[in-house]
Amino acid sequence: DIQMTQSPSSLSASVGDRVTITCRASQGIGNDLAWYQQRPGKAPKRLIYLASSLQSGVPSRFSGSGSGAEFTLTISSLQPEDFATYYCLQHNTYPYTFGQGTKLEIK
Amino acid sequence: QVQLQESGPGLVKPSETLSLTCTVSGGSINNYYWNWIRQPPGRGLEWIGYIYYSGTTMYNPSLKSRVTISVDTSKNQFSLKLRSVTAADTAVYYCARTSQETSVYYLFDYWGQGNLVTVSS
Repeated sequence: DIQMTQSPSSLSASVGDRVTITCRASQGIGNDLAWYQQRPGKAPKRLIYLASSLQSGVPSRFSGSGSGAEFTLTISSLQPEDFATYYCLQHNTYPYTFGQGTKLEIK
Repeated sequence: QVQLQESGPGLVKPSETLSLTCTVSGGSINNYYWNWIRQPPGRGLEWIGYIYYSGTTMYNPSLKSRVTISVDTSKNQFSLKLRSVTAADTAVYYCARTSQETSVYYLFDYWGQGNLVTVSS
């Protein structure tokens, strides 16, 4: 299985901050990567697909980049509703695998 | 707007079979891949497997010996059966859609709200 390692596992930040979350794959996956946001008690919501394409309806403060084995999710200016857990997902090779999650908390 | 809704028992006894159904509304089940994903309480996400509307399946090897996913296109539903469950199978179970255009796959664009299944006697 391809291992997806997110860093950091948790992050404290303030409204207005710029934050970056990294996801590293144990082998190259091209651009077959998506990012999801999950609020407590809710289903995940797709933010980014194919590494850098913004899901329709998602604010432009979210952006994704990378290819191969290293990817980043950046939130340019944190808003109160952004405090949640973020997951990356690789879909290049079966089984699809998620990162362990990054919990973004209010400082 | 496409909507997915999981349904099924919230409590299953150890060694029995967990059965869940996902009903798709607001769109057709045809021409898409339909997935099951689970999340143990307080933990991360695990992909269980998918079924294409035509019936082709793919399962996570970690669960393959115990899982069956089936589809009923006449009802716009697909289902999950997980046999011989233990407490480790306690999780929120989600259904989700994958779409495809030519050779590009768009994973999990729509999700159900989740169904907590507890395995306990």
